[in-house]
Amino acid sequence: DVKVTQSSRYLVKRTGEKVFLECVQDMDHENMFWYRQDPGLGLRLIYFSYDVKMKEKGDIPEGYSVSREKKERFSLILESASTNQTSMYLCASSLSGNGNQPQHFGDGTRLSIL
Amino acid sequence: AQKITQTQPGMFVQEKEAVTLDCTYDTSDPSYGLFWYKQPSSGEMIFLIYQGSYDQQNATEGRYSLNFQKARKSANLVISASQLGDSAMYFCAMREGGRDDKIIFGKGTRLHILP
Repeated sequence: DVKVTQSSRYLVKRTGEKVFLECVQDMDHENMFWYRQDPGLGLRLIYFSYDVKMKEKGDIPEGYSVSREKKERFSLILESASTNQTSMYLCASSLSGNGNQPQHFGDGTRLSIL
Repeated sequence: AQKITQTQPGMFVQEKEAVTLDCTYDTSDPSYGLFWYKQPSSGEMIFLIYQGSYDQQNATEGRYSLNFQKARKSANLVISASQLGDSAMYFCAMREGGRDDKIIFGKGTRLHILP
């Protein structure tokens, strides 16, 4: 089975801190994704990556950056955390294919910015 | 305009009954894929079923089936013989084109199974 592991289930940080959310997948997937999920807004894509050292902006990249130095690891960085970044963050990975490969998700990180 | 529309914010269904969760989509791309995910209260997103736009038959996976009506741009999820463990949020999602990039998610339907 595919395993996508997010480093923390719950995280509390302060405004202005630099925050790192880590995601690791064990199935050699080429593609990795970061979403945030907010009530009433559904899942929104922040960034995704097709390959090592490659990244593409999603729908809401402002205030975030990402890093993919190794194929199995995709990090989301909040450069200077703000209260409006309090949210549930979900990481996902998928195989490359012809668009028919599902994304497999981690358990999520509930991030609170105080 | 929304690409994925789930019109049922919440549903209550008696245990053992069949459930249909509605999903309509909007795309002009002839090649696309449709996905359904389940999110229990614990938060993880679980992939349930996939339907490709060129697939001739409706997808099935155990108790899950997808009622795909291409002309109506409809991809409803059917859960047969519902169980208490089916209580969760359900998301319909679409990927356009034969690419591996983003999936567009609907807002979800919260399903409650009553004992």
